[in-house]
Amino acid sequence: DVKVTQSSRYLVKRTGEKVFLECVQDMDHENMFWYRQDPGLGLRLIYFSYDVKMKEKGDIPEGYSVSREKKERFSLILESASTNQTSMYLCASRGGSEGQETQYFGPGTRLLVL
Amino acid sequence: AQSVAQPEDQVNVAEGNPLTVKCTYSVSGNPYLFWYVQYPNRGLQFLLKYITGDNLVKGSYGFEAEFNKSQTSFHLKKPSALVSDSALYFCAVRENYGGATNKLIFGTGTLLAVQP
Repeated sequence: DVKVTQSSRYLVKRTGEKVFLECVQDMDHENMFWYRQDPGLGLRLIYFSYDVKMKEKGDIPEGYSVSREKKERFSLILESASTNQTSMYLCASRGGSEGQETQYFGPGTRLLVL
Repeated sequence: AQSVAQPEDQVNVAEGNPLTVKCTYSVSGNPYLFWYVQYPNRGLQFLLKYITGDNLVKGSYGFEAEFNKSQTSFHLKKPSALVSDSALYFCAVRENYGGATNKLIFGTGTLLAVQP
């Protein structure tokens, strides 16, 4: 079974702090994704990566950056946390071959910025 | 624009009754369609997908979905609801811009509440 893990289930940070959210997958997947989930808005894509050191902006990249130094790990960085970044953050991964269309999700990190 | 719509924010059904959660989509070319379920404070779990083939797709936990090309719909169904099916359900469609980096577009989710 595919396993996607996220470093924290719950985080509380203060405004202006730099925040790191870590995601690790164990299926050698090429593609990894970061979403945020807010009530009534569904899932919105922040960034994704299709290979090591490669990244592309999603729909809402402002205020975020990412890092992918190793294939299995994809980090989301909030350079200076703000209260409007309080949200549920979900990481996902997917293989890169035809027939590997399914995205698999981690358990999520609920971030509260005070 | 490519999109997916879940017209109902919430669906209420009595235990033992059949359930339907609706999804419609707009995408160029052949659609790749997915259903996910999310239990409280958890990540999304994959339920089923339609890529090609039989229009009726069977998935996990007794769920199935029917692909209807003429109505551009992919409704999720279950013959007999359980209280434990209560959760948030997301429909998603894969973008078709070509290449291996096509992303998923998610609906806003439908909360399913099954009453005992």
